[in-house]
Amino acid sequence: QSVLTQPPSVSGAPGQKVTISCTGSGPNIGAGYGVHWYQQLPGRAPKLLIYGNTKRPSGVPDRFSGSKSGTSASLAITGLQAEDEADYYCQSYDSNLSVWVFGGGTKLTVL
Amino acid sequence: QKQLQESGPGLVRPSETLSLTCTVSGGSITSGDYNWSWIRQHPGKGLEWIGHIDHSGGSYHNPSLRSRVTMSEDTSKNQFSLNLNSVTAADTAVYYCAGRKYGDWHFDLWGRGTLVTVSS
Repeated sequence: QSVLTQPPSVSGAPGQKVTISCTGSGPNIGAGYGVHWYQQLPGRAPKLLIYGNTKRPSGVPDRFSGSKSGTSASLAITGLQAEDEADYYCQSYDSNLSVWVFGGGTKLTVL
Repeated sequence: QKQLQESGPGLVRPSETLSLTCTVSGGSITSGDYNWSWIRQHPGKGLEWIGHIDHSGGSYHNPSLRSRVTMSEDTSKNQFSLNLNSVTAADTAVYYCAGRKYGDWHFDLWGRGTLVTVSS
């Protein structure tokens, strides 16, 4: 059971928008720790997609955006492309457990 | 840009020690700008932070694994290492080394990962 909760799967047609939620609690997202998102293509290592709730590393398309409110965060992907099909993970820090924590991951299927 | 590469045995017998090394290229591990972590991913599952070693050589571990984990660095080889003792089948996973900039809370550097299977 992951400390951060994500839906197991989401799907969308090319060109559409999808959002992936990440629900935490008081000691992590609710305590003000940033939420970060990673994209993991099949058979590959995770790649940083969003950091500090809303920031994009250089080279990440602006089709990807992040937001945070209270104890939850969301990743939005607009203009879906076939290459976006991957697993997406949120990550934060938990002050009670003193560990960096990840969500269970969400599999995005592009229909 | 620093790059990371894991190495180590792909098969470890139950009750023995899993030992992995991460080689850092493109910069020194002692430059003080990164903390160096190990993260694992059980087959078909999510990610689990194992621990990290910082620029002063201090290490911090996931409490769920703390008593079995040892981390170290070899500055002469620009490497850092993970030892996980008394392994069981539950330790079968892809192990990633990762880098987190000092003061940041996210991981911006990742190795390719190495699969370690615990089996007799």
